[in-house]
Order: sequence, then C-alpha cells, then structure tokens
Amino acid sequence: TQLLEQSPQFLSIQEGENLTVYCNSSSVFSSLQWYRQEPGEGPVLLVTVVTGGEVKKLKRLTFQFGDARKDSSLHITAAQPGDTGLYLCAGEASGTYKYIFGTGTRLKVLA
Amino acid sequence: EAGVAQSPRYKIIEKRQSVAFWCNPISGHATLYWYQQILGQGPKLLIQFQNNGVVDDSQLPKDRFSAERLKGVDSTLKIQPAKLEDSAVYLCASSPRWTALSGNTIYFGEGSWLTVV
Repeated sequence: TQLLEQSPQFLSIQEGENLTVYCNSSSVFSSLQWYRQEPGEGPVLLVTVVTGGEVKKLKRLTFQFGDARKDSSLHITAAQPGDTGLYLCAGEASGTYKYIFGTGTRLKVLA
Repeated sequence: EAGVAQSPRYKIIEKRQSVAFWCNPISGHATLYWYQQILGQGPKLLIQFQNNGVVDDSQLPKDRFSAERLKGVDSTLKIQPAKLEDSAVYLCASSPRWTALSGNTIYFGEGSWLTVV
C-alpha cells in the first residue's frame, strides 16, 4: 500500500517553464522530505518540511507543507535541463514508525 | 565519515536462482532500511530494522525474500528463488535515530542492481 501519491507521474517541459509537483496522503506526517534522484545514484535530500503551512525556498525551488500535514508541493521556477531527474517525497506517517517514499515524478527539462 | 556500503553493485541471475545483497551502514546508526526500486518509480520499503529488531516488514514477500541484521550492524537481503519481477535496484539506507523525525538524516548507499533473466 502506497501512502504517498505523487502527481504528475511524468513531466516533460521546455527550459524556462514553471512546474509544480504534488505529494498527497490521507495520513498525517510529522515531517516530509523531498529528494531528487539521478539514474544510478541514491536519492539526494533537497529539503525537510516540518510545520503545517511551512514554505521553504531553495534557489528556484519552493516547497510547501499543507496545513494539515497530509500533503506537500514542490514548485520549480524557470526550469533548467539540470533539474531533470526523479523527484520523490518521503516521510513517516504518524504512528507508523516506518519511512516511506512517494510514487515519484519523473521530470525532463528540454533545452 | 564512510558512507553506506553495498555489494555487489550489479548482479545478473536466471529466474529461480538465489541472490544475496550485503549492506554495511554508517557506524553507530541504529536504523537500517532496505528498499526495492523499480526503474522510474519511488522506492518501496521492504524492511526496516531498529538495531537488530524488525520495525516493519509488511511489504517483504516472505515466501522468497529474507533479511537479517547481524548484531545490529551489517545486514543481508536474500532472494530465493528469484522471479523476473524482482529485477530492480535494492537500496540500503541507515539513520542515526530510530524514527524519521526532523533532523534525523537518512543516508543511502549506491544500490545493488539486480537483473533476473
């Protein structure tokens, strides 16, 4: 059972466009992490969001944690080819003690 | 600080054969995770250890998969017999504390690529 659903599953856009990736759950999470993964490598942590309603910015990336701590979004402004990769949200649903990943969003940015 | 070590890096086996993957977590890390990742998808948690005890193994196909964490340090994941659908990357990770709370960073190995033919 996948508790974290991401959308869209695939995204192919032109350089300079904006995009948003969503991560949704019916469960409450104490915190959520976002990762980017490139082929042949392990996931690399981008950010951790902890507080409901929290917004964090990392250069052109903006992360938001939903007020109820059941969902999160990642917005990329002016995407670049270097942003290409698999984006993953992850976290521990309250009371489960297990760390799970979302279904993943594959992003391709064309030059 | 040495990272999470996994071996072998690549393995090709025929269906119905067996395979074992080894993971050496970062020294002192209490929690160890095994994930199965199909190409292009998010990693699926197979088993999570806290020291040498199992926190969760609800998605481990126990008829063919087994895992152990000897003395709360190294871990081995075994598949016997392998099926075609087991072709995936097997990621091992470790973290200092026993829950994924804020500040408890999870460190990943490079993964073991399995192809079953």
